[in-house]
Amino acid sequence: EAQVTQNPRYLITVTGKKLTVTCSQNMNHEYMSWYRQDPGLGLRQIYYSMNVEVTDKGDVPEGYKVSRKEKRNFPLILESPSPNQTSLYFCASRRRGSETGATSSYNEQFFGPGTRLTVL
Amino acid sequence: EDKVVQSPLSLVVHEGDTVTLNCSYEVTNFRSLLWYKQEKKAPTFLFMLTSSGIEKKSGRLSSILDKKELSSILNITATQTGDSAIYLCAETSGSRLTFGEGTQLTVNP
Repeated sequence: EAQVTQNPRYLITVTGKKLTVTCSQNMNHEYMSWYRQDPGLGLRQIYYSMNVEVTDKGDVPEGYKVSRKEKRNFPLILESPSPNQTSLYFCASRRRGSETGATSSYNEQFFGPGTRLTVL
Repeated sequence: EDKVVQSPLSLVVHEGDTVTLNCSYEVTNFRSLLWYKQEKKAPTFLFMLTSSGIEKKSGRLSSILDKKELSSILNITATQTGDSAIYLCAETSGSRLTFGEGTQLTVNP
């Protein structure tokens, strides 16, 4: 079954304790992204990756790190979590499509089930 | 900085009503606009719009893009309680997606 998996699904932690949220996809997608979702702010992109070893900042990258050593995995790292990083996190992946955006490639963006993180 | 604004932020209707959700965007290199439905889980894809004036339709849902007005609408006719969800609009200008805040739709029986 084609899917994006995230772990853990729920996490409560304390300020300053490093954590990693894993994301894995089994569709051989080139593009992967991390979003956070907060009430009234919608989904905001944290980081994205266009391929292995290629990552770039999204709209809200501060306090986060990512790596893309393998095509299927795109972990999100919080080196020193703070309460303002309490949020719902989604990983997503899609295949590379036409650069004009005129194809249906964006239809193929799959979201993971989400990770609800609470930082006390 | 790309920006997507949705309205209304929240909407409560009765079953059978027709609703129109709005999305406007300000982007430097627009390529396409997407609509997603989010229930108590991850967003699921509804439509992708790239051409102005061409309606996309799926059952009771339809959507259209107006590039002149930099906006899109999502219509839902004969609403059902199962339509209750957050509807997200997003634009893509390349590798990134920028989402709006979402419209919380509640359909009461």
